[in-house]
Amino acid sequence: NAGVTQTPKFQVLKTGQSMTLQCAQDMNHNSMYWYRQDPGMGLRLIYYSASEGTTDKGEVPNGYNVSRLNKREFSLRLESAAPSQTSVYFCASRITFANTGELFFGEGSRLTVL
Amino acid sequence: DAKTTQPNSMESNEEEPVHLPCNHSTISGTDYIHWYRQLPSQGPEYVIHGLTSNVNNRMASLAIAEDRKSSTLILHRATLRDAAVYYCILRDQVIKAAGNKLTFGGGTRVLVKP
Repeated sequence: NAGVTQTPKFQVLKTGQSMTLQCAQDMNHNSMYWYRQDPGMGLRLIYYSASEGTTDKGEVPNGYNVSRLNKREFSLRLESAAPSQTSVYFCASRITFANTGELFFGEGSRLTVL
Repeated sequence: DAKTTQPNSMESNEEEPVHLPCNHSTISGTDYIHWYRQLPSQGPEYVIHGLTSNVNNRMASLAIAEDRKSSTLILHRATLRDAAVYYCILRDQVIKAAGNKLTFGGGTRVLVKP
C-alpha cells in the first residue's frame, strides 16, 4: 500500500496563478486533512473532510478551496496564489469517529510563490 | 478548543532518557492525548496516545497526570534518529457530521547530542 500520496512534490508559482494540490489515500479512511507548515513553524489546519461530500474550515482557510472528490481523494486549490502561501503542504487521513485513529501523513508538497 | 503548551526545544545526550512535557489544562473528559513526531523534511508520524492510564509502546512511553491536565512523553534511550519535533495534540470535540478536527501546536524540537 502506498498510504497517502501527494502531487506535485515541488511547485513554483507566480503571484496570481492558480494550482491544485492532489492527495489520495488507499487505506479506506473516512477523514482527510490539509495542513500547511511555514519554515520553522508547526502545522496549521487549512481544511478537513470527515467523509465524502463534506468539508469544513480549519484554522487558516482563507485563500484556499477544497474538493472531496471521492473517498480516496481530497484536493486543495489555490485560486490566486500569493507569496504568503509559500509553504509546505501536508495531506493526512484517518478513520473518522475513532478517538484512537492515528493520522497518516503524506510526504508533503513544497510550494513557492514568487 | 482545548489547547496544549509545550517547550520550544530540549536537548539530550545520546543514550539518555528524554522527558517531553505537555500542558493541557483545559482538556475535556473525553479528549485523548496524542503524540506525533516530525523528522527533518518528512511528514509527522504517530508516536503514542492515551486517555487516563500510562501507555507504553516500542517507540516511547506516555505518562498522564492524575488530573489529566498534563502529560509527559518519555523516550527511554535517545538516539540520533530521535532528533525531531514532537507534537502533543488533543482530539477535538466531535461535531456530528463534521468528524474530528485535529490541530497541532508548535511542538518541541529535540536535539540529541552524540
